[in-house]
Amino acid sequence: DTAVSQTPKYLVTQMGNDKSIKCEQNLGHDTMYWYKQDSKKFLKIMFSYNNKELIINETVPNRFSPKSPDKAHLNLHINSLELGDSAVYFCASSQDVGSGAWETQYFGPGTRLLVL
Amino acid sequence: DQQVKQNSPSLSVQEGRISILNCDYTNSMFDYFLWYKKYPAEGPTFLISISSIKDKNEDGRFTVFLNKSAKHLSLHIVPSQPGDSAVYFCAASEAGNQFYFGTGTSLTVIP
Repeated sequence: DTAVSQTPKYLVTQMGNDKSIKCEQNLGHDTMYWYKQDSKKFLKIMFSYNNKELIINETVPNRFSPKSPDKAHLNLHINSLELGDSAVYFCASSQDVGSGAWETQYFGPGTRLLVL
Repeated sequence: DQQVKQNSPSLSVQEGRISILNCDYTNSMFDYFLWYKKYPAEGPTFLISISSIKDKNEDGRFTVFLNKSAKHLSLHIVPSQPGDSAVYFCAASEAGNQFYFGTGTSLTVIP
C-alpha cells in the first residue's frame, strides 16, 4: 500500500539523452515536491506544486521541467542529460503548502539516476 | 549556502545507550523543525517534529530539543536499538514552506 511511489527506481543513461521520472501519491495530498540528493548527500528542493500549480522553482537548469497532469502526479522530465545530473531524485508530498500549516512531507523511495 | 548543518556524518552507539544527533541552523526565521530517518534504498520517513513555540517534544524513545538562541536542535534516542541504525536528517522551514535539509548523520547502533 505505497503512499508515494516513483518509477523507475534506477535509471542509467547516456549524456545528451532525455528522460522522465514519474511520481504518484495516493495520500490525497495537495502539494508535491521534487528533491535532488547529490553525492555529498545534500537533499535540496527543486520544485513544488500545489494543486497542479508551480509554487517553488529553485535555481534549476531549464533542462529540468516538472509536469503535473493532476494533483496526484508530478513527473520530472530532464532534457540533454549531463554528468552532473547523476544523483538520487526524491519525490515527496504533503497536505498543504504552508501559510502556517506545518505539514509533514512524505517521501518516495527515490530514483537513482546515473549519467554516463 | 547551507542553512541547515549536521556536522557529524556518522555516530556509533552501543545498544541500550543514548544516541544524540545534532543539527545547527543559520536562519533565525526558521520556526518548524523535523527529523527524518532514512534506510538504504528508501526515501526519508518522518520521525518527529518541533515548532519554535516549544523547546522539547517527546514521542516514545525519541525526544527532540530546540535551543532557539543557539540555533541548535538535537534528537535523543533512548534506549538505542539496532533497528535505529539509519541516516537521520534534520530539516527546517519558515512557516511550513520550503524545507531545508541537513546532510544527514549515519547512526550505527552496535548490539
